[in-house]
Amino acid sequence: DTGVSQNPRHKITKRGQNVTFRCDPISEHNRLYWYRQTLGQGPEFLTYFQNEAQLEKSRLLSDRFSAERPKGSFSTLEIQRTEQGDSAMYLCASSLRGTSGYNEQFFGPGTRLTVL
Amino acid sequence: AQSVTQLGSHVSVSEGALVLLRCNYSSSVPPYLFWYVQYPNQGLQLLLKYTTGATLVKGINGFEAEFKKSETSFHLTKPSAHMSDAAEYFCAVNFNDYKLSFGAGTTVTVRA
Repeated sequence: DTGVSQNPRHKITKRGQNVTFRCDPISEHNRLYWYRQTLGQGPEFLTYFQNEAQLEKSRLLSDRFSAERPKGSFSTLEIQRTEQGDSAMYLCASSLRGTSGYNEQFFGPGTRLTVL
Repeated sequence: AQSVTQLGSHVSVSEGALVLLRCNYSSSVPPYLFWYVQYPNQGLQLLLKYTTGATLVKGINGFEAEFKKSETSFHLTKPSAHMSDAAEYFCAVNFNDYKLSFGAGTTVTVRA
């Protein structure tokens, strides 16, 4: 296993179109996270899953955004009716939830979305 | 409110000179602390982390950071900059069990 993978790496779309991104975490990791990074800023937390359950959603995640992790493995992030403000790098991370202590998050290469 | 502040959005150093990147956090409880590096169009790579134990933490590529609870700081240093250190660096804090909160980032350029 070589780490977290994300597809596509780049997506260009027109305003109003729907887009879907995929994240494949490290195989034994039971937690999966989505972050958004706009130009010149640090990543901002969007949502996370433990197994297939979505446990937290940021206020940044408007109704146009939906994330799923149906079988507790890969996850998809869908944006409906894209807006130019959605242009950003979308980062996925995964970690192993242990019984104690912090569990390191491993990041994928990201999907860069450009909305024209 | 809990927050992470990186002082200085851009740092320029000469090759061989000291690299110092500053990070302060605001929290009533000492959090877990991290430094990540990001190269253009790539994801984040963990440089080092502080969770418990020794407050001086050594990471990859010759970087180290010191957790100072009294100053709520976690500054990153490298004694001698290399051209390959040119990148963007993010300080991150884990205030709870799951999400990371990131600073705005510091871009490092290295002059030959």
